[in-house]
Amino acid sequence: KNQVEQSPQSLIILEGKNCTLQCNYTVSPFSNLRWYKQDTGRGPVSLTIMTFSENTKSNGRYTATLDADTKQSSLHITASQLSDSASYICVVGPMDSSYKLIFGSGTRLLVRP
Amino acid sequence: DAGITQSPRHKVTETGTPVTLRCHQTENHRYMYWYRQDPGHGLRLIHYSYGVKDTDKGEVSDGYSVSRSKTEDFLLTLESATSSQTSVYFCAITPVGGYNEQFFGPGTRLTVL
Repeated sequence: KNQVEQSPQSLIILEGKNCTLQCNYTVSPFSNLRWYKQDTGRGPVSLTIMTFSENTKSNGRYTATLDADTKQSSLHITASQLSDSASYICVVGPMDSSYKLIFGSGTRLLVRP
Repeated sequence: DAGITQSPRHKVTETGTPVTLRCHQTENHRYMYWYRQDPGHGLRLIHYSYGVKDTDKGEVSDGYSVSRSKTEDFLLTLESATSSQTSVYFCAITPVGGYNEQFFGPGTRLTVL
């Protein structure tokens, strides 16, 4: 069964620190992998999209990496800010059904002053 | 929110009553989706539409129906609401082209008592 697993489930860090969120997936073959940020009470917002042939993609202080061989992705947040407090969701788009995305359950990040 | 509005934003209803949620978009996007989000689960696809009167089932379609009589509106109906349908419902759209980027609406919180 196609699955997307994220770790940790939740994370607390101090403002200004870096952190890395992990995503493991079993979807194969896959077309692309995305990371979304979801603020409390809002819909998810896309941070990065990588195709299966890309290794890294940055969006400001957010950097996503992808290892298609090990089926792992990570999202690295640099110099965290209070506004980074949110859930971060890893999403995989299967090759054979690009509209039926597979979502992880997210990592809830809390950045404390 | 990518020109997507959802109504109502909050609703409390009783078991057995019919409920209709509305997703409205203003930019003529062809593809529209309904998801539900529950604690401990990733977003799960209920139904999607690839054009007026063209819809298909997603992963968790039992107990839900949809209609799309015009491009801008995608309706999700719970014919007889059950407590297991208490959830946050998100509508999403895909603009033409790209990696099937999905943009999400603000969500509707539905409570079935």
